[in-house]
Amino acid sequence: AAGVIQSPRHLIKEKRETATLKCYPIPRHDTVYWYQQGPGQDPQFLISFYEKMQSDKGSIPDRFSAQQFSDYHSELNMSSLELGDSALYFCASREQGSTGELFFGEGSRLTVL
Amino acid sequence: KQEVTQIPAALSVPEGENLVLNCSFTDSAIYNLQWFRQDPGKGLTSLLLIQSSQREQTSGRLNASLDKSSGRSTLYIAASQPGDSATYLCAAPRNTGFQKLVFGTGTRLLVSP
Repeated sequence: AAGVIQSPRHLIKEKRETATLKCYPIPRHDTVYWYQQGPGQDPQFLISFYEKMQSDKGSIPDRFSAQQFSDYHSELNMSSLELGDSALYFCASREQGSTGELFFGEGSRLTVL
Repeated sequence: KQEVTQIPAALSVPEGENLVLNCSFTDSAIYNLQWFRQDPGKGLTSLLLIQSSQREQTSGRLNASLDKSSGRSTLYIAASQPGDSATYLCAAPRNTGFQKLVFGTGTRLLVSP
């Protein structure tokens, strides 16, 4: 069965650089969520999209932005990277009106040097 | 604001033991509750999803129960195996349309051969 695809899986950046993470949800899933998981932390909600519109916003820094495209894939853009942005970034998807089960990708590990 | 707590934070058991992981949530207006497994540095694998109208769900050696009135869920693992060693996270969404998940603090399980 198709799963949530995230790319790149690993990314190394310098401070003040920019990074873009991509997420391809499961086919027919119209809702995408982004989570950030720091070392030893539980995942923290960043932002979500439903039908290409932002549906909810969590603890996402102003330096970060995201969008969902017409094919439902989503991108998380991070600028002016800081050391503290080093984390695992997860994307999850869900089909509205279904059981409500959330499916997660394998994550993108960002390291900021 | 939903807060999810898990106890114990860590658990070490010998192979073959039956064990219970606990999850508490403060806001009982949840749509469902999901249990996840996370291996170190890896993604989140959905184990069980319990709808708010259900009392329990079973999958193989795993059984999860839900008591909304008391704000508690338990994950029961029967006949534990070394391969069960991982961090187990519970997560509950608010009973709203876009249902972002709020994660618990996790239980780190180690099953020794």
